[in-house]
Amino acid sequence: GAVVSQHPSRVICKSGTSVKIECRSLDFQATTMFWYRQFPKQSLMLMATSNEGSKATYEQGVEKDKFLINHASLTLSTLTVTSAHPEDSSFYICSARRSGGITDTQYFGPGTRLTVL
Amino acid sequence: ILNVEQSPQSLHVQEGDSTNFTCSFPSSNFYALHWYRWETAKSPEALFVMTLNGDEKKKGRISATLNTKEGYSYLYIKGSQPEDSATYLCALIKAAGNKLTFGGGTRVLVKP
Repeated sequence: GAVVSQHPSRVICKSGTSVKIECRSLDFQATTMFWYRQFPKQSLMLMATSNEGSKATYEQGVEKDKFLINHASLTLSTLTVTSAHPEDSSFYICSARRSGGITDTQYFGPGTRLTVL
Repeated sequence: ILNVEQSPQSLHVQEGDSTNFTCSFPSSNFYALHWYRWETAKSPEALFVMTLNGDEKKKGRISATLNTKEGYSYLYIKGSQPEDSATYLCALIKAAGNKLTFGGGTRVLVKP
């Protein structure tokens, strides 16, 4: 149980285009989903937290107009990188948590490698 | 900025040997510490959630301890096997917080 899928696993796009990444909890309902980014040789950095049906909360320094997050259902959250540029090339990974308990486990997807040319 | 440090960054272990590594964090306002194992091309796998000072948790040959007063956690692997090769991540939750702050990970390579 507690499987999270992420699609696509890899994407290459041209500068200026938008890319959508999907995160799905396959066998549980996720009240909260999280989006992280990892630059080479760095740790996972939280970008934003989203609760189903409400606006995402973005971390300091993360542009909400550039990284659009939608959490339309208890099993699906999407991250759209708008007008992507080479500096947005990174590894993006989502996680999902069942309940509101902050010590509850976050279950991670396998991540998406984004390359912007 | 919340500093969660893991050391060493990487280590090589001979199959059958035991090993351990450290996660250090600010001890103030501690709420919980998570450990994950992350194999290449897979999803990070949750190992433990630790909340109490003196906590010890075990899962098979892997165990972890927690010292919230001095701000560290150890993760132990007993009798390492090649399938233990992975990056091990710790992540801190501060009191009244909601988010995980990750360390940089310890990359473990078990050599047959």
